[in-house]
Amino acid sequence: EAGVAQSPRYKIIEKRQSVAFWCNPISGHATLYWYQQILGQGPKLLIQFQNNGVVDDSQLPKDRFSAERLKGVDSTLKIQPAKLEDSAVYLCASSLVRGRNEQFFGPGTRLTVL
Amino acid sequence: GQQLNQSPQSMFIQEGEDVSMNCTSSSIFNTWLWYKQDPGEGPVLLIALYKAGELTSNGRLTAQFGITRKDSFLNISASIPSDVGIYFCAGQSGNTGKLIFGQGTTLQVKP
Repeated sequence: EAGVAQSPRYKIIEKRQSVAFWCNPISGHATLYWYQQILGQGPKLLIQFQNNGVVDDSQLPKDRFSAERLKGVDSTLKIQPAKLEDSAVYLCASSLVRGRNEQFFGPGTRLTVL
Repeated sequence: GQQLNQSPQSMFIQEGEDVSMNCTSSSIFNTWLWYKQDPGEGPVLLIALYKAGELTSNGRLTAQFGITRKDSFLNISASIPSDVGIYFCAGQSGNTGKLIFGQGTTLQVKP
């Protein structure tokens, strides 16, 4: 079974530019999560989707971050405009059901904002 | 908000030694998960715990869900060099699926 796929693996941009990340969850997983992991810290949830609906986006900086999961499968996370403090690894995870919450992570996208 | 305190922050041990790390919180969780993260990779799920008092093993790894539901422990027996990495605990409360992660324990194993 294929795992969670993410692209790109690395991205370097200048501040005020925009960037987008893509995630393809494990087949059949209804729940998809985007996390931000700053160096030396644990992942922090940005947004959670159940199918194509948003369950929790309370920690998403909505003035610059947006995410969508239009067909309930793939998802994109966008940052516009980027700030220096957005430099981090962006992790996508998926789980089969919300109740038994074993989340499986992709390899992440390392973003560097200069 | 909810926070998890994970300790120790780092460990440097000799191959063959046993390792213990723990995670505590002021809040109650109904699920505890333990992950391992290698450099440049995403976290990999090691053990999932769903009931207070539960003790679960995965090879040389053993984890326990604390009776108070506010803590969890991970033990690694007879460590080997490939155990090197960062270990994260994560707790879930409620039924939304949101995980709160600890700060991680960095483990280094000397051959």
